[in-house]
Amino acid sequence: SQQGEEDPQALSIQEGENATMNCSYKTSINNLQWYRQNSGRGLVHLILIRSNEREKHSGRLRVTLDTSKKSSSLLITASRAADTASYFCATDAGGTSYGKLTFGQGTILTVHP
Amino acid sequence: GAGVSQSPSNKVTEKGKDVELRCDPISGHTALYWYRQSLGQGLEFLIYFQGNSAPDKSGLPSDRFSAERTGGSVSTLTIQRTQQEDSAVYLCASSLGGAGGETQYFGPGTRLLVL
Repeated sequence: SQQGEEDPQALSIQEGENATMNCSYKTSINNLQWYRQNSGRGLVHLILIRSNEREKHSGRLRVTLDTSKKSSSLLITASRAADTASYFCATDAGGTSYGKLTFGQGTILTVHP
Repeated sequence: GAGVSQSPSNKVTEKGKDVELRCDPISGHTALYWYRQSLGQGLEFLIYFQGNSAPDKSGLPSDRFSAERTGGSVSTLTIQRTQQEDSAVYLCASSLGGAGGETQYFGPGTRLLVL
């Protein structure tokens, strides 16, 4: 079953605009990871945020985590056409489930030039 | 350095045949994972190897699926008596393992089509 649920399922924006994607999950986590996927093939790791962290940045990416609401968001600032891809959040529950990522259904982002 | 590699990139087989999918993890990574991505089920965990420990097979969908990891490096995922519902992209990932080494790096995947 999919623990992570992304919102929205699809997002269409113009180049230069910001894109925000949200992820909700059901159980406690050790960490949450965001991935990008182009053309239905390999996943590219973007950011890992641990359960004791609230915000992380990487270049144009900003990830927040609210463990009280069991939710995370990924913000891409000043989007580019090359950011067009599917974005997935994945949770690692830790403990006996350590390393077993549970993925959401993903958000399809389209950035128009 | 080199990333995770998988072979073949694409595999077409007939229902009932066995297939083997190969994964070469990043050198030095002790943890290796297999996932499956299909239209109906999304991305699903299959199996997880960590060092010399017994693998976590809890995600394997049936006993037709098995995997091994030789010498702590290369892994092979075997699907016996393939069925049409096995058609999917099979993704392999590796990580350093342990605390601080949770980031999983994925290979390009093997696209399996069972006719």
